[in-house]
Amino acid sequence: AQTVTQSQPEMSVQEAETVTLSCTYDTSESDYYLFWYKQPPSRQMILVIRQEAYKQQNATENRFSVNFQKAAKSFSLKISDSQLGDAAMYFCAQFQLNNAGNMLTFGGGTRLMVKP
Amino acid sequence: KAGVTQTPRYLIKTRGQQVTLSCSPISGHRSVSWYQQTPGQGLQFLFEYFSETQRNKGNFPGRFSGRQFSNSRSEMNVSTLELGDSALYLCASSHGTRRTDTQYFGPGTRLTVL
Repeated sequence: AQTVTQSQPEMSVQEAETVTLSCTYDTSESDYYLFWYKQPPSRQMILVIRQEAYKQQNATENRFSVNFQKAAKSFSLKISDSQLGDAAMYFCAQFQLNNAGNMLTFGGGTRLMVKP
Repeated sequence: KAGVTQTPRYLIKTRGQQVTLSCSPISGHRSVSWYQQTPGQGLQFLFEYFSETQRNKGNFPGRFSGRQFSNSRSEMNVSTLELGDSALYLCASSHGTRRTDTQYFGPGTRLTVL
């Protein structure tokens, strides 16, 4: 069974500064994908960034980047130049597509507050 | 391309009733997955439908069921509602066949059971 753990229930960051959200996961599969989703107060789940497990290079999307440590099963999200609009719940998720179908396993989430 | 849509957005039901939620995926997507989000349990996988067949199922009682139509639209049904079924129900669509698949979420249906 897959498990995803986010050890920081809440984080805060000053506007324009950098913050890192932590995530660890556990799986016996060798082929999987990892995601960070953002859920603002509107509750719409928005894809932030994706990492394929077979790629050693860390994914980057504008101000968002990840630090993927496969051996340690760690997948942290770094947000640079934080903006007020970044305030939201952030969920780390692991995805597998296999013969049983596909599904996402989510962590418990980290609430990010951005201070002006 | 239009995103994932869910209807209705809000529902209020009483215990013992049943409810049907609808999800229309992104055009071209054949997989629809359903998730339940509650403050206590977080985000939990309910089931996934692909080409009108349930392909994967989470650990939920049989009161939770679903189906998918030939146009990939999916419905989820909850019978004999309990107070604990109050939650945000999210659906997500994806191609369902690619190794690099990504699930895109709808805005959710907020169900309140009184």
